[in-house]
Amino acid sequence: DAKTTQPNSMESNEEEPVHLPCNHSTISGTDYIHWYRQLPSQGPEYVIHGLTSNVNNRMASLAIAEDRKSSTLILHRATLRDAAVYYCILRPPWGGATNKLIFGTGTLLAVQP
Amino acid sequence: DTEVTQTPKHLVMGMTNKKSLKCEQHMGHRAMYWYKQKAKKPPELMFVYSYEKLSINESVPSRFSPECPNSSLLNLHLHALQPEDSALYLCASSQPGRSNTGELFFGEGSRLTVL
Repeated sequence: DAKTTQPNSMESNEEEPVHLPCNHSTISGTDYIHWYRQLPSQGPEYVIHGLTSNVNNRMASLAIAEDRKSSTLILHRATLRDAAVYYCILRPPWGGATNKLIFGTGTLLAVQP
Repeated sequence: DTEVTQTPKHLVMGMTNKKSLKCEQHMGHRAMYWYKQKAKKPPELMFVYSYEKLSINESVPSRFSPECPNSSLLNLHLHALQPEDSALYLCASSQPGRSNTGELFFGEGSRLTVL
């Protein structure tokens, strides 16, 4: 399974942008890059995913390097409710024994008021 | 309805007990998952069901026995557990198929304590 590397923790101030990096140098050509976050005492929740192009949704933006060996999750204006563990995950395309989502260690984001 | 419901939320059991964790979703998803999460660690995949058939078992000890009686329900039967099995057990579901995003929807988990 391809691995991801993330900083253990990051800090941000409220209402400022946050850039959460992820390295995935062993990514295969068909792996999707998924981001999930886990708020305290909750199950993980989907944030965003992409394959090659940058992606935006209501929660965040995902910037993917041209060689796909790294990506960055961007929270445009952090709020206190964004304090969570953020996981960057490589997901193979659906099929057979590859129907799995393997979590790495994640980044614990602290947001200061 | 975009919820995955897990029951019970908390469970305390002895090492000789038999108990079950239950997971339910009504989103029409045909893939369901069990993950185990220890404190301050990422979730670890245990089992994957695809169209009600077990497709992945990540070498989980036989004291954990999954069951998928229909497309909406997923159970995890527990027997002769050890104290180190105490953890948060997370259920998730997704819609399989290459045309789908592969987004997993997680429940809030069942917190298990083995005495």
